[in-house]
Amino acid sequence: DAKTTQPNSMESNEEEPVHLPCNHSTISGTDYIHWYRQLPSQGPEYVIHGLTSNVNNRMASLAIAEDRKSSTLILHRATLRDAAVYYCIPRETGNQFYFGTGTSLTVIP
Amino acid sequence: DGGITQSPKYLFRKEGQNVTLSCEQNLNHDAMYWYRQDPGQGLRLIYYSQIVNDFQKGDIAEGYSVSREKKESFPLTVTSAQKNPTAFYLCASSAPPWYNQPQHFGDGTRLSIL
Repeated sequence: DAKTTQPNSMESNEEEPVHLPCNHSTISGTDYIHWYRQLPSQGPEYVIHGLTSNVNNRMASLAIAEDRKSSTLILHRATLRDAAVYYCIPRETGNQFYFGTGTSLTVIP
Repeated sequence: DGGITQSPKYLFRKEGQNVTLSCEQNLNHDAMYWYRQDPGQGLRLIYYSQIVNDFQKGDIAEGYSVSREKKESFPLTVTSAQKNPTAFYLCASSAPPWYNQPQHFGDGTRLSIL
């Protein structure tokens, strides 16, 4: 299983961009990189995923390093509703997601 | 709207009692999952099912049981053999291919011991 390393916590000012890093140095060539976020007392919510190239959707952007050993989730303008725990998950071709402890993002008004 | 419905939102268990957590989805997804989350921790997989009448153990299946008699339903029973059942339980579903499709989660059931 690919192991991930994320900062335990980060802070951002409201309406500023946020870059959430993730190291996954043992990732295999076929692992997709998924990001989820979880608000308190709620189930995780899918944010974005990608394999090799950078990806964008209405919620965020995902920048994947050329060697795929790290990735960065980018929230372009943080809002108070973005305060959550963010999980980076390399998804193997098997069936299991492995959620670590993630990064707790605090957004300061 | 399509989604995952978990019930009840809160559940209390007495010593020696089995309790069943409900999970229903109307997304027409083949795969369903049960996770457990302890305070300050990530999610751990209990059981998953990719097709009706078939399911597989996850990392922490001991003390739990499941059934998958219908595509839209995947109930989880917490048995009396699970000595530390207090946790937040989350159900999810996804479509194939599993590695390239997001999982959709319910809002969870919080189980406590009386």
